[in-house]
Amino acid sequence: EIVLTQSPGTLSLSPGERATLSCRASQSVSSTYLAWYQQKPGQAPRLLIYGASSRATGIPDRFSGSGSGTDFTLTISRLEPEDFAVYYCQQYSSSPLTFGGGTKVEIK
Amino acid sequence: QVQLQESGPGLVKPSETLSLTCAVSSYSISSGYYWDWIRQPPGKGLEWIGSIYHSGSTFYNPSLKSQVTISVDTSKNQFSLKLSSLTAEDTAMYYCARRVRSGHYFDYWGQGTLVTVSS
Repeated sequence: EIVLTQSPGTLSLSPGERATLSCRASQSVSSTYLAWYQQKPGQAPRLLIYGASSRATGIPDRFSGSGSGTDFTLTISRLEPEDFAVYYCQQYSSSPLTFGGGTKVEIK
Repeated sequence: QVQLQESGPGLVKPSETLSLTCAVSSYSISSGYYWDWIRQPPGKGLEWIGSIYHSGSTFYNPSLKSQVTISVDTSKNQFSLKLSSLTAEDTAMYYCARRVRSGHYFDYWGQGTLVTVSS
């Protein structure tokens, strides 16, 4: 099973700042099968990025994804108030499908 | 706009079997995609339970395989989850979601249904 480790666990930032979230895999993941989601309290996760770097429909361009192999990054260029949430990475390069433990982006 | 809606009991007793249904609207299940179940214990992360392809093939998380059955009813455009031998550790929000075959990511999710396992 591929274990996805997200860091940091919590990121305390102010609106307007840049957020850099890491997702590290225990073995190589095909970029095609790496996705990122945003989850706000009481809501289902929302797809942000698929294929490691492609933005989903309707996702603002302040969100970007990058990386390959075992190291992937989600960057939010300038945090808006609505971006404070928990973010998860997910892979299905090999079975079973797994999620990272999440990074909480909170207001400093 | 594709919509998914979970339904089922909110409270189940230990050792019993949970049955949940996900009704899909604005898209025909038999037209394609994988249809998945994911759960999230309170305050914790996401765990993939398993999926069914539009053809009827099923795929389960090995950690839950002995407990899980996923089925599809194309006539009602819905799919279902059965999870047996429940314990308190199965208490969670249960989501159904549509998974895109080309990249294996979830593009549409249900709002989730909270299931509590307690006597």
